[in-house]
Amino acid sequence: AQSVSQHNHHVILSEAASLELGCNYSYGGTVNLFWYVQYPGQHLQLLLKYFSGDPLVKGIKGFEAEFIKSKFSFNLRKPSVQWSDTAEYFCAVGGNAGNMLTFGGGTRLMVKP
Amino acid sequence: GAVVSQHPSWVICKSGTSVKIECRSLDFQATTMFWYRQFPKQSLMLMATSNEGSKATYEQGVEKDKFLINHASLTLSTLTVTSAHPEDSSFYICSAGGLAGGTGAEQYFGPGTRLTVT
Repeated sequence: AQSVSQHNHHVILSEAASLELGCNYSYGGTVNLFWYVQYPGQHLQLLLKYFSGDPLVKGIKGFEAEFIKSKFSFNLRKPSVQWSDTAEYFCAVGGNAGNMLTFGGGTRLMVKP
Repeated sequence: GAVVSQHPSWVICKSGTSVKIECRSLDFQATTMFWYRQFPKQSLMLMATSNEGSKATYEQGVEKDKFLINHASLTLSTLTVTSAHPEDSSFYICSAGGLAGGTGAEQYFGPGTRLTVT
């Protein structure tokens, strides 16, 4: 069975600080990896995804993530956070077409102005 | 493109009644739709996977007779919570996959439906 683990449940940063959110997964096949963001009162939005190719993936709003196969990790990074990045971030893993997504527990990020 | 809508966005119902939630892919055909449930301050938990024209596949612990899913067309899936009870109060989110031209592994999420059972 596939599983996703996000180690940081709550993160508090000041503006301009760098961000790294951990995500580790277990999956027994071809893996597709996603990071979603849920801003307060809004629905899930896709930040970035990895299917194949370059393991360093760039997403929207300055976010990036690196797929490290040997570590089963897909950590999310941003060099300099903004107050508007305050949200909950979910890592998810899925298989091929039509397969379900398994979500991590989420990381609640608060950026202090 | 790839917009998914849900209706209603919130609903309050009395215990014992049934509630239907609609999930529509507005600008693409979704071969597969997924229903999730999100409790406050928790992650999304997959409830079921529905494929157009076939029976839904429910996750372990999800009562299929209580959460009826119908995927009647490539753009519409419905979730009916039957005989709702206060413990069914939650945020229900659908997603649609199988975007034409995409990899098929991508899912696009609806805005969610907040159900409160009194």
